[in-house]
Formats: sequence, C-alpha cells, structure tokens
Amino acid sequence: NAGVMQNPRHLVRRRGQEARLRCSPMKGHSHVYWYRQLPEEGLKFMVYLQKENIIDESGMPKERFSAEFPKEGPSILRIQQVVRGDSAAYFCASSPVSDDEQYFGPGTRLTVT
Amino acid sequence: GDSVTQMEGPVTLSEEAFLTINCTYTATGYPSLFWYVQYPGEGLQLLLKATKADDKGSNKGFEATYRKETTSFHLEKGSVQVSDSAVYFCALRAAGTASKLTFGTGTRLQVTL
Repeated sequence: NAGVMQNPRHLVRRRGQEARLRCSPMKGHSHVYWYRQLPEEGLKFMVYLQKENIIDESGMPKERFSAEFPKEGPSILRIQQVVRGDSAAYFCASSPVSDDEQYFGPGTRLTVT
Repeated sequence: GDSVTQMEGPVTLSEEAFLTINCTYTATGYPSLFWYVQYPGEGLQLLLKATKADDKGSNKGFEATYRKETTSFHLEKGSVQVSDSAVYFCALRAAGTASKLTFGTGTRLQVTL
C-alpha cells in the first residue's frame, strides 16, 4: 500500500507566480489535511478536507490560498501570486476516518525567489 | 487557544545515553497527545500516542506518559542510537475535534558515537 504521495517534491517560483501542490492520499483514505512548516518552526495546520468538501479552513490565509479535494484525483493546494514569505515546506496528511492517525507525505518544499 | 511547548534543541547525546525531551501543553478538556519523528528530507512518522490521562505510549524503545496534573507528555528512551538522530515533534489533537493537530516547534536530536 503506497503511502501519501506529494508532488512536486521541490518547487521554485518567482514572486507573483502561482504554485500548485498536489497530494494523493493513501488508498482508502478520504480525509486530507494540509500543514505548513516554516524554517525552524513546527507544522501549522492549514486546512482539512474530505472528498469535495472543505471541513475546516481555520488555518488558511484569507487571501491567495485555496484548497480542493475533488471526487476524482489528488488534493490541490493552490497559492496565487506567491511572495517570499510563502517559502516553506508544505505537508499533506491523510486518514481513513476523521479521528484516526494521520499519515504524512514527504512534503513539497516551495522556494519563492 | 491550544498550544504545545517543547524544550529547545538541538540535543546532542552520545550513543547509549538516556534521552528526555520535555513537552507540555495547554488545552481544554482531555486532548489526545502524540510524538512524531521527522528524518532528514522525509515527512513525519507517528512514533507513539496516548489518548487519556495516565496512558503510556511506547514504540521502538521510546515511551511517554500522559500526565494530566502537569499537562506534560515527556519523551524518554533509555539508550539512544545514532539512528535515532532526527527531529521530534510533540503534538495534540483537541478533545471533541476530529481534525487538526497542533504541533510544538520540534527538538532536533543528534546522537554521536
């Protein structure tokens, strides 16, 4: 059973461009979580999604950030008009049910130049 | 709001030394508590967990006890190995919520021969 897949592993964007980060949960998992890790800091919750629904987006910045988890395909975290402060590692986790263990992917390291 | 405080790193130990990484939390009710480990370039892996007061989580020689009276969940290992070198994160999931994890800032452990 493959683990949580994230791609790309590394992404470089210039200021003002868009970044799209993809997450494929483990097979059988319908709950997806996104976290951001700034340099030398812990992970901060961003958003929690189930198939086609956003359940909790209390950690998402109000502007430029959006997330989706369509019926088919991976979950996408989209950052529009990136700024240098968006440089971070973005981790996705999935779980089979909402209160079960979260399994983490290897992360996408975004660098904004 | 909920928060997790971990001891500052890095922690440098010789192989076979005793390890303690302190973790205290602030939360209402009875949260679930977790320790995650992150090896270089990888995502987080669940190391152990405890879901109620006085529970002891254990795995791979690591253990931690949920202490409600001191709001603590300190990680211990009797004899560390070089392969234990990693960053360790303490985390909580608030009672009654089925989603986000709140993480501490992480403690880097370096074990030398």
